[in-house]
Amino acid sequence: GAVVSQHPSWVICKSGTSVKIECRSLDFQATTMFWYRQFPKQSLMLMATSNEGSKATYEQGVEKDKFLINHASLTLSTLTVTSAHPEDSSFYICSASRDDDQPQHFGDGTRLSIL
Amino acid sequence: AQSVTQLDSQVPVFEEAPVELRCNYSSSVSVYLFWYVQYPNQGLQLLLKYLSGSTLVESINGFEAEFNKSQTSFHLRKPSVHISDTAEYFCAEEGKLTFGQGTILTVHP
Repeated sequence: GAVVSQHPSWVICKSGTSVKIECRSLDFQATTMFWYRQFPKQSLMLMATSNEGSKATYEQGVEKDKFLINHASLTLSTLTVTSAHPEDSSFYICSASRDDDQPQHFGDGTRLSIL
Repeated sequence: AQSVTQLDSQVPVFEEAPVELRCNYSSSVSVYLFWYVQYPNQGLQLLLKYLSGSTLVESINGFEAEFNKSQTSFHLRKPSVHISDTAEYFCAEEGKLTFGQGTILTVHP
């Protein structure tokens, strides 16, 4: 149990394009979902935490107008990278948990490449 | 602020050799500790976790980690590694999940 699906797994697009990444909890209801960013050879950095039905909480230094997060249901959260530029190229990983004090379950990540 | 330190960025070993991946955490209050494994171009998979109780926790594929409060450590060990264990391993501390820098384990034949 506790499967998290992330889509797409890989996306390449032109600079200036907006890209949407979906994160779904397939067999459980996720009260909380997290979005991470991972640069090559580095650890995961938390970008934001989202709770179903409320606004996401962004970590310091993360532009909320650049990285739009929507957590409209207990099984789906989306991250939209608006007007993406090459420096936004990275590996984005989502995770989901049933509750704040429950372990997080991770998706397989989305590799975003901006040309 | 929480911090997790993985002392080795890369650990090369030969197949069937023992391995230890080191992790130290900073929190002085109750902690939940995790080890995750990441294969290339994939997300993270939970390997094992310490929430409470026995300080020695085991995974189904032969890894184990011991919570040592006095040394604030949660080192990951395996007595005999396989080629398939080649991956990057992350130690993490709950509260707000804080990850270490990762250790790339490379198992050579």
